[in-house]
This record gives sequence, structure tokens and C-alpha cells, in this order.
Amino acid sequence: AQSVTQLDSHVSVSEGTPVLLRCNYSSSYSPSLFWYVQHPNKGLQLLLKYTSAATLVKGINGFEAEFKKSETSFHLTKPSAHMSDAAEYFCVVSGLIGANNLFFGTGTRLTVIP
Amino acid sequence: NAGVTQTPKFQVLKTGQSMTLQCAQDMNHEYMSWYRQDPGMGLRLIHYSVGAGITDQGEVPNGYNVSRSTTEDFPLRLLSAAPSQTSVYFCASSQYRAGNEKLFFGSGTQLSVL
Repeated sequence: AQSVTQLDSHVSVSEGTPVLLRCNYSSSYSPSLFWYVQHPNKGLQLLLKYTSAATLVKGINGFEAEFKKSETSFHLTKPSAHMSDAAEYFCVVSGLIGANNLFFGTGTRLTVIP
Repeated sequence: NAGVTQTPKFQVLKTGQSMTLQCAQDMNHEYMSWYRQDPGMGLRLIHYSVGAGITDQGEVPNGYNVSRSTTEDFPLRLLSAAPSQTSVYFCASSQYRAGNEKLFFGSGTQLSVL
């Protein structure tokens, strides 16, 4: 079975400081993993995805995530937070390549303090 | 450059009423899906379709019906609304199956059932 745990429901950082949003996953298969971002009153937008290629994945807006199989983690990072990064972030796992279902984490709300 | 379009954006229903949430995409995507988003629970899959004439149930299908008569449209029907269906609903599509593809989301429908 597949599942995702986002370890923090809320993260607060100061503008210009690093961002770390933590995600652990459970999967019976080699997983595909995603990070999506949701700005207020908007739909979700893909930040990045991992599909068994390079373990360090670069996404849009300066975000990146590292797939660590030994730790079953897929943490999202950014070196320097910007005010526009304030949003809800979802870690998502799919077990089988081509599977029709995705399993979403409960989300992490990122607040950026000026 | 419409992408995925959902209507309406807001809806209030009384218990027992029926309604249809509309979803249309103009990207010729094969895969379309409906999710509901509830506080603290992430997104959960209601129904999905891998092409015209083909639909299947997701994680939380009870109380919802879907059909896919064209590639572009994937309406979600509530036959007899219940307060438990108060939620934010998102339609999403991808080129092929959801497992390792980027999902494109609509901007959501906020539904309240009184």
C-alpha cells in the first residue's frame, strides 16, 4: 500500500532563509513522487516530480527535492524563501508506474515572514 | 490557454438536492479525475476516467456519479446532497494515466450542503 506523511502541518520561515518541508512515504513498489503547491483559492500546481531517474530533482521557482530510498524520504527544499512562496504544499506518491491513483499528504502550510 | 475549467466556483445546496459540477479541459488529455479536499485530509480521489466512455471509482466514490461522453468533459453529479459532501472539489487531467504524469488542476468548486 502507498501512503505519505508530511511531518509538519505548518512551517514558518523568514524571507531569505532556507525552506525545508519534510515528507516520508510508504510504497510497496518503486514510487513516483511529486510535490504540488496550492496558493490561496487556486488549484494545485506541480513543483517537481521524481520517477526513478536522478535522486536530486529540480523544480520550478528554485525548489528541489532529494529522493532517499534508505530513509523513505522526499523532502522539499529551497535555499532562500520569497514572500511569494507562502502557500500550501502537498507531497504525493504513486506506487505503480501508470497507476491511476495518487495518494496525497495532508499538506504543509508555509508562512514567510517579511 | 484555458487548461482545466471548473464551474461553478461556489455553490450552496440543501440536503437532498442534486447538482452537477462541470469540468472541461482543452488539452486533449486522456485522463481526468475528481478530487475532494477536506481540512487536514489532503486530496482524495472520487472518480476518474482514462478515456471517453471509461470511468472507475477512486477512494471515496459513494454519493457521486460520473460519465465521460467526450474527451473534453467530465461532469461530477451529486444525486442527493448530504452535509458530509461539504468540501472543495477539484477536477484534474493529465495526458495519460496519473501515475507518473503531471496533473493539471482546475481552480476548484467550493460546495456547502446545509
